[in-house]
Amino acid sequence: GESVGLHLPTLSVQEGDNSIINCAYSNSASDYFIWYKQESGKGPQFIIDIRSNMDKRQGQRVTVLLNKTVKHLSLQIAATQPGDSAVYFCAEIRGDKIIFGKGTRLHILP
Amino acid sequence: DSGVTQTPKHLITATGQRVTLRCSPRSGDLSVYWYQQSLDQGLQFLIQYYNGEERAKGNILERFSAQQFPDLHSELNLSSLELGDSALYFCASSVGGGGTGGNTIYFGEGSWLTVV
Repeated sequence: GESVGLHLPTLSVQEGDNSIINCAYSNSASDYFIWYKQESGKGPQFIIDIRSNMDKRQGQRVTVLLNKTVKHLSLQIAATQPGDSAVYFCAEIRGDKIIFGKGTRLHILP
Repeated sequence: DSGVTQTPKHLITATGQRVTLRCSPRSGDLSVYWYQQSLDQGLQFLIQYYNGEERAKGNILERFSAQQFPDLHSELNLSSLELGDSALYFCASSVGGGGTGGNTIYFGEGSWLTVV
């Protein structure tokens, strides 16, 4: 069935390097995407969003890229810091429904 | 702090029992969403209410029910509890009825339910 998923369940990145977290979606009718960060014991926290009519959106140290041709979404985190350790979820919005992927755990190496 | 408040934070109960989880949305938000998160399932959408009315339904069991009150707070009722119901239950809220730009969904810190 239709789903939103992530290519890598765990990503280990050296502190200071850039992180790239990927997400595939299956419904081309989706018009809005969100990345969430979930730290241990906390609720998902909004990071950045992007509409389907955009290819790229930048925030503070984060960039989201949307490739509608291959139905692929990515989150880039610049100069990864220890505080970036968390599980990152992509979410796909279809009308009133928001559908989450299972998440990728980002592990920061010292 | 997202502004979404959930109680209780932790709850331990026995199989067959019934519990109620409570949620206060962010000030001004009309929509409330309930999600279940377990280790092997990720975030599963259960149900959404908008201004007191059920708006969308996800993978919510018949043993579970929810409602949104006139003051916009919401309760999720879980009955005939089974071991497999142990999970984190999140409430989220948004201004409007959907997630399209401007209606970002903000999450509470969750209620951790353990069924023994």
